[in-house]
Amino acid sequence: GAGVSQSPRYKVAKRGQDVALRCDPISGHVSLFWYQQALGQGPEFLTYFQNEAQLDKSGLPSDRFFAERPEGSVSTLKIQRTQQEDSAVYLCASSWGLAHLFEQYFGPGTRLTVT
Amino acid sequence: KNEVEQSPQNLTAQEGEFITINCSYSVGISALHWLQQHPGGGIVSLFMLSSGKKKHGRLIATINIQEKHSSLHITASHPRDSAVYICAVCQETSGSRLTFGEGTQLTVNP
Repeated sequence: GAGVSQSPRYKVAKRGQDVALRCDPISGHVSLFWYQQALGQGPEFLTYFQNEAQLDKSGLPSDRFFAERPEGSVSTLKIQRTQQEDSAVYLCASSWGLAHLFEQYFGPGTRLTVT
Repeated sequence: KNEVEQSPQNLTAQEGEFITINCSYSVGISALHWLQQHPGGGIVSLFMLSSGKKKHGRLIATINIQEKHSSLHITASHPRDSAVYICAVCQETSGSRLTFGEGTQLTVNP
């Protein structure tokens, strides 16, 4: 079956613009995770959904970042008033459940460049 | 100090060599993941383990919970093994979030 897909793969935004990044998880996966990966570094956790419920958003760096998963499937990560420090690869992963019980399947990422 | 430390940061090997990548962590964990990231960003899960040892093909992962240490071994390394290998832990206090190391860049030369 299809893996995790993300769109767009690349996004260039001018500073101050709003962006929306989409994640399509593997069908049936209950858990969905968003991560931010700066160049040359490991990913960092942003937020976690179990079905449509956002159970952990402690990694979101500011209130400009907002994520939703309204029907428990597709998720959107929105960044308002983008700033240069938001430039990174945004990774989405899905799994059958919690991170300590199940492996995660990663999407290819969206590379965001803020100019 | 990061909660998850990997060593070495960079590793160059000749084809056929035995490779070891180490991961040390400072927090209590419920599971540890080893991930592989190829150029272009795609991440693949290699192992998830909470005790002992797991083997898949030429890859072996071990974990020592008491010493807070895990190793990833690659036997008979091949140029296609060239990638970044990332260790990530799931802390006992949170079942939902992974804390990642910064990765080890492995280059295997023919």
